[in-house]
Amino acid sequence: LAKTTQPISMDSYEGQEVNITCSHNNIATNDYITWYQQFPSQGPRFIIQGYKTKVTNEVASLFIPADRKSSTLSLPRVSLSDTAVYYCLVGVPAYSSASKIIFGSGTRLSIRP
Amino acid sequence: DGGITQSPKYLFRKEGQNVTLSCEQNLNHDAMYWYRQDPGQGLRLIYYSQIVNDFQKGDIAEGYSVSREKKESFPLTVTSAQKNPTAFYLCASSIGGPPLDTQYFGPGTRLTVL
Repeated sequence: LAKTTQPISMDSYEGQEVNITCSHNNIATNDYITWYQQFPSQGPRFIIQGYKTKVTNEVASLFIPADRKSSTLSLPRVSLSDTAVYYCLVGVPAYSSASKIIFGSGTRLSIRP
Repeated sequence: DGGITQSPKYLFRKEGQNVTLSCEQNLNHDAMYWYRQDPGQGLRLIYYSQIVNDFQKGDIAEGYSVSREKKESFPLTVTSAQKNPTAFYLCASSIGGPPLDTQYFGPGTRLTVL
């Protein structure tokens, strides 16, 4: 899986849109991009996954430019409950060697009233 | 309900003792994973199993061992050789097939060495 780079932390306020960008310069042709959310003392949970252009579901949107070297997770109208760590993961674990499954340190998002 | 379970939630161990963390899934997933998470850090892969009776070492496998005798079970043993085992341990599973391979995580086990 490709190595990823994310901001360590971000702050925002309730009701705002939050965009978290992940850089993955050496993404491979077959790699998908997946974002996970983790609350303290819990396992991460899947948010959204995409390959190119834009993907939207009930909780987020994922924007992927044509060169796919980065991706942006967009959270519309955040609330206090969106305070969590967000991880960007690139690749398809089932087809990777163990050494390439890398979650990274994630982005710690803090939402204020 | 389909899901992935880990037990126990909290585990205390004396130095020099081996301890086994349980991970069970009823999602019929082929692939299973063990991660370690230290405070304020991301997830690091310990072991990874694509299918039954097969597993690969991750970046930090030293001092850990696993078995995969059944599709639904992937227990992790923390041995006395692991120098700093106090951490939060997460188990995950995924379908193991294309094109989407989303990992589903368990609630985690917090291990403390006394």
